[in-house]
Amino acid sequence: AQSVTQPDIHITVSEGASLELRCNYSYGATPYLFWYVQSPGQGLQLLLKYFSGDTLVQGIKGFEAEFKRSQSSFNLRKPSVHWSDAAEYFCAVGTYNTDKLIFGTGTRLQVFP
Amino acid sequence: DVKVTQSSRYLVKRTGEKVFLECVQDMDHENMFWYRQDPGLGLRLIYFSYDVKMKEKGDIPEGYSVSREKKERFSLILESASTNQTSMYLCASSLGQPPYDSGYTFGSGTRLTVV
Repeated sequence: AQSVTQPDIHITVSEGASLELRCNYSYGATPYLFWYVQSPGQGLQLLLKYFSGDTLVQGIKGFEAEFKRSQSSFNLRKPSVHWSDAAEYFCAVGTYNTDKLIFGTGTRLQVFP
Repeated sequence: DVKVTQSSRYLVKRTGEKVFLECVQDMDHENMFWYRQDPGLGLRLIYFSYDVKMKEKGDIPEGYSVSREKKERFSLILESASTNQTSMYLCASSLGQPPYDSGYTFGSGTRLTVV
């Protein structure tokens, strides 16, 4: 069965600094990978997804993520963080033969001015 | 854009009450899901439905049931609410067609407090 790990529970960065949120997955075949963002008191919004092709995917709000099969990772990056990026971020893994996603436990991002 | 609407943002219920959480989507999605979100535990799947009247248990179905009488509506039922069911409940829907790469659309969540 597939699983996903987000090693960082809480990350703090200064506004304008670069950001990388880590996600590691476990799955025997090529997974479908997703990043979602949850602003306080809200539901989850899809940032980006990977299911095939180019391993560097671009998403909304200036985010990107890179699929690295050798490291079983799908880390989320942003070159310059804005205060409005403060939120909780969830990585999720799925497969081609089921619509059930497995979510990580999330990383809370705090942004200091 | 697909919209998933959860009828209540906040609910306070008493222990032992029967509680209904409603979720409606407006884009003819096949699959619908109920998750529970707790700090440090992420999202845990309670139930999902892949067609009208069809349902499947998720990882934590105990104490919950669901109903899907119409394609657009998926209800979560707490048969007898308990304090350990205090949580944020998230509904989601998806296209539900292979190769299942579209991801989910989530509602805004219902924060339920059982006292």
